[in-house]
Amino acid sequence: DAKTTQPTSMDCAEGRAANLPCNHSTISGNEYVYWYRQIHSQGPQYIIHGLKNNETNEMASLIITEDRKSSTLILPHATLRDTAVYYCIVRVWGSYIPTFGRGTSLIVHP
Amino acid sequence: DVKVTQSSRYLVKRTGEKVFLECVQDMDHENMFWYRQDPGLGLRLIYFSYDVKMKEKGDIPEGYSVSREKKERFSLILESASTNQTSMYLCASIFDGDSGNTIYFGEGSWLTVV
Repeated sequence: DAKTTQPTSMDCAEGRAANLPCNHSTISGNEYVYWYRQIHSQGPQYIIHGLKNNETNEMASLIITEDRKSSTLILPHATLRDTAVYYCIVRVWGSYIPTFGRGTSLIVHP
Repeated sequence: DVKVTQSSRYLVKRTGEKVFLECVQDMDHENMFWYRQDPGLGLRLIYFSYDVKMKEKGDIPEGYSVSREKKERFSLILESASTNQTSMYLCASIFDGDSGNTIYFGEGSWLTVV
């Protein structure tokens, strides 16, 4: 699986959009980009994934650049409950060994 | 909703004890994983299994073994617990969907070895 690079930490004001970047410059054509988050003392939770096109669900939006070498997870209106560690991983569909980096620690402040 | 259940949330064990951490998933997933998570080190893969009675070593298998006798259950075994195995342990299983795989995690088991 391709390696990802994320900032160690970020902060965001409550109610504002949180934009979390991820670099995956060695991504292959068949690798999906996945985002998970882990709230303190809990297991990671799936947020969203995509291959080429931008994706949106009830939790977030995923923007993938045209060359697919980077992506951004957008939490449109961050709340205090969004304070968590966010992991970006890339995986080949059908590859069943997910590898997690250290993620980005997002702190949402009042 | 998919559910991955880890039997114990918090455990305290003595050095040298045999420890069993149980994980059950209810969605007929074939692939299951055990990770440990330590501050500053992220999630590290211990063992995984892609079928009943099949197991593969991950990145840090030393001091651990696993058992997968039934598809829904994947157990992590510490044969002789040591203090450096104090950690949070996470079980996960994978759903193979039409557009990719989604990983489902349990809530974690916090193990303290004294």
